[in-house]
Amino acid sequence: KNQVEQSPQSLIILEGKNCTLQCNYTVSPFSNLRWYKQDTGRGPVSLTIMTFSENTKSNGRYTATLDADTKQSSLHITASQLSDSASYICVVSGGPGTNAGKSTFGDGTTLTVKP
Amino acid sequence: KAGVTQTPRYLIKTRGQQVTLSCSPISGHRSVSWYQQTPGQGLQFLFEYFSETQRNKGNFPGRFSGRQFSNSRSEMNVSTLELGDSALYLCASSLVDLAEAFFGQGTRLTVV
Repeated sequence: KNQVEQSPQSLIILEGKNCTLQCNYTVSPFSNLRWYKQDTGRGPVSLTIMTFSENTKSNGRYTATLDADTKQSSLHITASQLSDSASYICVVSGGPGTNAGKSTFGDGTTLTVKP
Repeated sequence: KAGVTQTPRYLIKTRGQQVTLSCSPISGHRSVSWYQQTPGQGLQFLFEYFSETQRNKGNFPGRFSGRQFSNSRSEMNVSTLELGDSALYLCASSLVDLAEAFFGQGTRLTVV
């Protein structure tokens, strides 16, 4: 069964600090991995998308890394701001085969940034 | 370019009623997916439509159904509502597949 596991489940950091969120997956074959940010009560917004050939991708203060061999990804947030408080969701899409086009969602990491 | 639009934003229904939610995808997007999100749970995939055909379906009872029109707009219907159906229902659209999915703001359904 395809799985996407995120850790930690929740995280509290002080404004200005850095943090790293983890995503481990078992989806195989693999097409792409996406990180979304979801503010409370709103729809998720895409942060990064990476295919198996990409190791890192940045979007402002957000940097995602991918190790397709170990099936691990991380999202690093630099110089956190209060507005970074949200749920961060990792989504993995299957590659060619029975899982083609199917997306598996992680349960998300809830980040709280405190002043 | 307008984003994904979901209507209504909020809805209150009583048990046993049925409800229809609407999703207008980004212009040119042909794939529309629906998700249920309840407090403490991640996004649960309901179904995906592409060119008016249901392409994938999640593990939800038959009370949950959907359809897509020729203009790619999609509707989701839940019949015989239960208290546990209270959730944020999200719709996402993409050009071809889920590689770049854009989400709407969601419809908050409360069943009382």
